[in-house]
Amino acid sequence: SAVISQKPSRDICQRGTSLTIQCQVDSQVTMMFWYRQQPGQSLTLIATANQGSEATYESGFVIDKFPISRPNLTFSTLTVSNMSPEDSSIYLCSGGQGRAGELFFGEGSRLTVL
Amino acid sequence: AQTVTQSQPEMSVQEAETVTLSCTYDTSESDYYLFWYKQPPSRQMILVIRQEAYKQQNATENRFSVNFQKAAKSFSLKISDSQLGDAAMYFCAYMGNTGKLIFGQGTTLQVKP
Repeated sequence: SAVISQKPSRDICQRGTSLTIQCQVDSQVTMMFWYRQQPGQSLTLIATANQGSEATYESGFVIDKFPISRPNLTFSTLTVSNMSPEDSSIYLCSGGQGRAGELFFGEGSRLTVL
Repeated sequence: AQTVTQSQPEMSVQEAETVTLSCTYDTSESDYYLFWYKQPPSRQMILVIRQEAYKQQNATENRFSVNFQKAAKSFSLKISDSQLGDAAMYFCAYMGNTGKLIFGQGTTLQVKP
């Protein structure tokens, strides 16, 4: 199993600013992903965080808005850039060993943009 | 592209009774995995049960079992002897060749004492 820690757990941000969310896994994982979840809604995949290279983004998400880093097998960051109230959401980090393996999730970072 | 559909936004069950949550999916892949995750108000996603598509036998984990119908692309979750702690949002999810999880819309389960 893997324990995933995210920081911050919540934050209130001003419009136009950027915030970086950190994700730390307590063991090496092959794959890491970032999801967005509106309260009471489902999880939408933002991107796959690739170690040492550019993340792979899903349709509707772009690197300029959501730059992602993954310098090693246990750590990743997601930045939400130039925030607007529409970016208010819960952002979840997940990690696992790939196919057939369980994906473990952090507790999420709740962002509120004023 | 793969899709996962949960058509029951909300369900309720009496404590100690049995409830079934529905899930259908669409895929052209032959080898994949299906999951049910539970998300209580704490937001922590918890794996409930996993099913490999190549296995005909339905997965079971204590009070949780699935009815996997591969031809119908159906994957329902049965919760027996429901407990108050089962109250949560339940997500059906699909994992194919990419290793990414694709989630359904979720079903909020209420357990009545």
